[in-house]
Parts: sequence; structure tokens; C-alpha cells
Amino acid sequence: ETGVTQTPRHLVMGMTNKKSLKCEQHLGHNAMYWYKQSAKKPLELMFVYSLEERVENNSVPSRFSPECPNSSHLFLHLHTLQPEDSALYLCASSQDLAGGTDTQYFGPGTRLTVL
Amino acid sequence: AQKITQTQPGMFVQEKEAVTLDCTYDTSDPSYGLFWYKQPSSGEMIFLIYQGSYDQQNATEGRYSLNFQKARKSANLVISASQLGDSAMYFCAMRAYLEAAGNKLTFGGGTRVLVKP
Repeated sequence: ETGVTQTPRHLVMGMTNKKSLKCEQHLGHNAMYWYKQSAKKPLELMFVYSLEERVENNSVPSRFSPECPNSSHLFLHLHTLQPEDSALYLCASSQDLAGGTDTQYFGPGTRLTVL
Repeated sequence: AQKITQTQPGMFVQEKEAVTLDCTYDTSDPSYGLFWYKQPSSGEMIFLIYQGSYDQQNATEGRYSLNFQKARKSANLVISASQLGDSAMYFCAMRAYLEAAGNKLTFGGGTRVLVKP
């Protein structure tokens, strides 16, 4: 595996379900990110982790719960979602948060549909 | 606050021709970076090119070049010799190094490019 991988690629869930999105980066990076891409809206940054510590949380509802057990893995735990949460969820990683090595590399995304 | 504007929602380009995608930005931060990403229908955001605000020369990366006009606050992407595989959404993004914590990227709304054979 190379780059940034995400599983599953597609997910359909009911509003009462609990599911998790997984992201894994094989680039040796220290920072990881979750983004949400809704139809006709710019990408929205949700969470930022650096060396497994959360450094940014952009007013995301608590029904989205991130977890970063190590610098290679990032999860997004989902529970009691709403239909408006249907979107493409993209994971990204970068070497660091700044200093010229901050280019973010993205995974293929998980397309989530909430019924 | 940072803002990115891409005024072209969609455009057609003939195969083998060049195409310019517009991007204007707004920030009061003197230190920033500008990025272009390509998103095919598969969904993955592919990094194309980067320009730093203090870079003296325009960035180039293969068939991609960035026309950076700092005074106009524009960072247009030029794709030369378009190929059918260039059909995708293209996003301009910015990182303001002093104002935006956590390496936050601000994205534009994107431009959809369709290359015609």
C-alpha cells in the first residue's frame, strides 16, 4: 500500500447506526486531517491531529468523534447521524503542520449516505 | 480570514490545447502558500503544484504551471497540452501561515474541466 488509504470507500447507514471510517497513511507523516466535502460546498476541515494529539476542531458536532491511536492511523467514529451528514469524507496527511513540509496528501475518500 | 474564489464553475478545452484556471485569494497574512489539487470522479484529491508567497519564480511541475501575480492576488493554474485524463474538478487552496492554525487549508469552490477529443 502506498500513500493514503481509506476504508470503506462507500458506506450507507441509518440514523441510529454506529459506524467508523478508517484512514491509514504510509508516508511517514506526523499530521493527519479529516475533511468533509458536501455537494456544492467547499471542502470543510473537520479535525487536525499532530503526533496523535488533536490540534484543531472546527466546531464539528459531537456525533462525529475522531481517534488517532498512532501517527499512521486516523478514525472517524459516527453515531446518530443526520441525512445532511451525507458527503464525501476525505482524509489527508502531511509531514508536519508547517515549515515547508505542510503539503497535504489526500486519500480517495469515503462516500457516506445517511438514510 | 482567508478566502479563495474560483469564478469558472466549468469549462471545455480541446485536447492538446492549453487551459488556464482562475484563482484569486484574499488574506492579510504576509506569509502564505497556494496549492492546486485535481479531483477526478473517483474522489481522490491529487496534489498538483505549490507556490509560496515569497517565491520569486512561478512554480512549474511538468505540464502544470502557476501564474502567480502577487499584487493582483491571483494564482492561476495553466495546464499545457491537455489530455483526456485531465478531465476533473480542480481546486485552488491557500494556507495562511500566521493566521491559520493547524495547517488549515481554505479551498475554493472548484472548476470542472472537460477535455474534448
